Amino acid sequence: DAKTTQPPSMDCAEGRAANLPCNHSTISGNEYVYWYRQIHSQGPQYIIHGLKNNETNEMASLIITEDRKSSTLILPHATLRDTAVYYCIVALNYGNKLVFGAGTILRVKS
Amino acid sequence: NAGVTQTPKFQVLKTGQSMTLQCAQDMNHEYMSWYRQDPGMGLRLIHYSVGAGITDQGEVPNGYNVSRSTTEDFPLRLLSAAPSQTSVYFCASRPTGARGQYFGPGTRLTVT
Repeated sequence: DAKTTQPPSMDCAEGRAANLPCNHSTISGNEYVYWYRQIHSQGPQYIIHGLKNNETNEMASLIITEDRKSSTLILPHATLRDTAVYYCIVALNYGNKLVFGAGTILRVKS
Repeated sequence: NAGVTQTPKFQVLKTGQSMTLQCAQDMNHEYMSWYRQDPGMGLRLIHYSVGAGITDQGEVPNGYNVSRSTTEDFPLRLLSAAPSQTSVYFCASRPTGARGQYFGPGTRLTVT
């Protein structure tokens, strides 16, 4: 599976949009982009996934560049409860074999 | 639904002991998996199963056995515990056709 590169940490003001970038320059045509987050020591939580089109759900939006080499996860109105480690993952086959990197620590501050 | 449940929450083993970590889900999910997370690191896949009777290895399978006799349960067996297996273990499941996995709360294992 392709690897991803994320910034180690980011800060965001409460109520503002949090934009988390991810580079995946070696992604193959049939690999999806997945985003999960892990709050403190809990189990990871699925957020969203996409192939090539932008996606939105009740938690977040996912913007994938046209060449698919990078993507951005957008939390439109970050709250303190969004403080977590965010993982960007590329994977085949419905994500049967997820490879988690170090992720981005997002700190939402009041 | 109780979701994905894991037992025990905490466990301390001595080197060489064996034990089974339990994972169960009541959502009729075909796919289940086990990950381990070492301090400050991302999760690594140990084993996974796409349905009852079918299992496959992940990234770090050595020292662990799994079986899947029912859709609901996916136990992880440590054959002879080693200090290197000190970690937090997460179980996850996913419904057929969906792409997001549901993770359990984890089991914290310490091997002395």
